[in-house]
Amino acid sequence: ETGVTQTPRHLVMGMTNKKSLKCEQHLGHNAMYWYKQSAKKPLELMFVYNFKEQTENNSVPSRFSPECPNSSHLFLHLHTLQPEDSALYLCASSQLRDNYEQYFGPGTRLTVT
Amino acid sequence: AQSVTQPDIHITVSEGASLELRCNYSYGATPYLFWYVQSPGQGLQLLLKYFSGDTLVQGIKGFEAEFKRSQSSFNLRKPSVHWSDAAEYFCAVGVKLSFGAGTTVTVRA
Repeated sequence: ETGVTQTPRHLVMGMTNKKSLKCEQHLGHNAMYWYKQSAKKPLELMFVYNFKEQTENNSVPSRFSPECPNSSHLFLHLHTLQPEDSALYLCASSQLRDNYEQYFGPGTRLTVT
Repeated sequence: AQSVTQPDIHITVSEGASLELRCNYSYGATPYLFWYVQSPGQGLQLLLKYFSGDTLVQGIKGFEAEFKRSQSSFNLRKPSVHWSDAAEYFCAVGVKLSFGAGTTVTVRA
């Protein structure tokens, strides 16, 4: 595997379910990001991790819970979501000393029913 | 606060014609500027970036962008589009990226 991978690519879940999104980067980067992409809206930065430490949480509801066990892996744990949480969730990584250029994964298309 | 405006929501262009996508930004210092492209069902791919130096930046896939500080703009151009350029294009600014809402490009034969 190369670049940034995300699994699953598609997820349908009910509002009472618990699921997790996984992101893995194979680039040796030390920062990882979660974004939410809704139709016709700018990408929304959700969380930022630098060297496994969360450095930013952009007022994201607690039903989204990130986890970063090491610099290569990032998870987004989901529980009791709402239909408006349906979106494309993108993971990205960057090297903090490399002009902050971010590399994106293909995303997970989440549908909440 | 930093922000990006992409005034054009949708652009249709004929194959072989030139393309220009507009981007205006608001940023308190010398900006880091980026253009990304997203094909259907895919993540974002970096086309080009500007940090300093020459204000005309060359990127991948034949794209270029020009930084104009006086106009707070970073417009993306391609002299001759190909059908494979049909995608959504995002301008972004800053260290913690702020993205525009995107411009969808349709290429007609």
